[in-house]
Amino acid sequence: KQEVTQIPAALSVPEGENLVLNCSFTDSAIYNLQWFRQDPGKGLTSLLLIQSSQREQTSGRLNASLDKSSGRSTLYIAASQPGDSATYLCAVTTGANSKLTFGKGITLSVRP
Amino acid sequence: EAQVTQNPRYLITVTGKKLTVTCSQNMNHEYMSWYRQDPGLGLRQIYYSMNVEVTDKGDVPEGYKVSRKEKRNFPLILESPSPNQTSLYFCASRRSGALETQYFGPGTRLLVL
Repeated sequence: KQEVTQIPAALSVPEGENLVLNCSFTDSAIYNLQWFRQDPGKGLTSLLLIQSSQREQTSGRLNASLDKSSGRSTLYIAASQPGDSATYLCAVTTGANSKLTFGKGITLSVRP
Repeated sequence: EAQVTQNPRYLITVTGKKLTVTCSQNMNHEYMSWYRQDPGLGLRQIYYSMNVEVTDKGDVPEGYKVSRKEKRNFPLILESPSPNQTSLYFCASRRSGALETQYFGPGTRLLVL
């Protein structure tokens, strides 16, 4: 059974800092890995999708990497801003029904 | 605008009173699914549908029903809601193929008294 872990559960950093959010998964037979952002009480916004054959994806100040063999992904946020404060969820697609399995998320707070 | 919509967004009900949460997508996606999100447990899949008239159980299907009579709609039915079904519910859709991005609705917050 696929399990996705995100540690720590919460993170607080000063504005301007570069930071890395980690995600690990137990079954390396994934189709892809997706990073989502969730604002309090809101839905999920897809940030980056990395296919299993890819090593990384970039969008603006965000860069996500994937090491499928070791079961790890990182989300790098450059020059963090208070508007980046949110919960970041990692999810992998696996299995015959191509189901998304989510981590519990990292709640990020960027202090002005 | 491409989107997944859910209704209602907020709902307070009582134990045993049947309810339906609607989900609709305008992207002609084949695959649709329902998730619930609970503190400390994260998001878990309830049911999914690969296409019209094709549905299957996810990880936590007990107490829920779904139907997929049309491609764009995937309602979630709680025949006899109980307090342990108080949760935040998300509908999602994507094109067929495991490599595709999933798009999520805005969520429905349900409170069962």
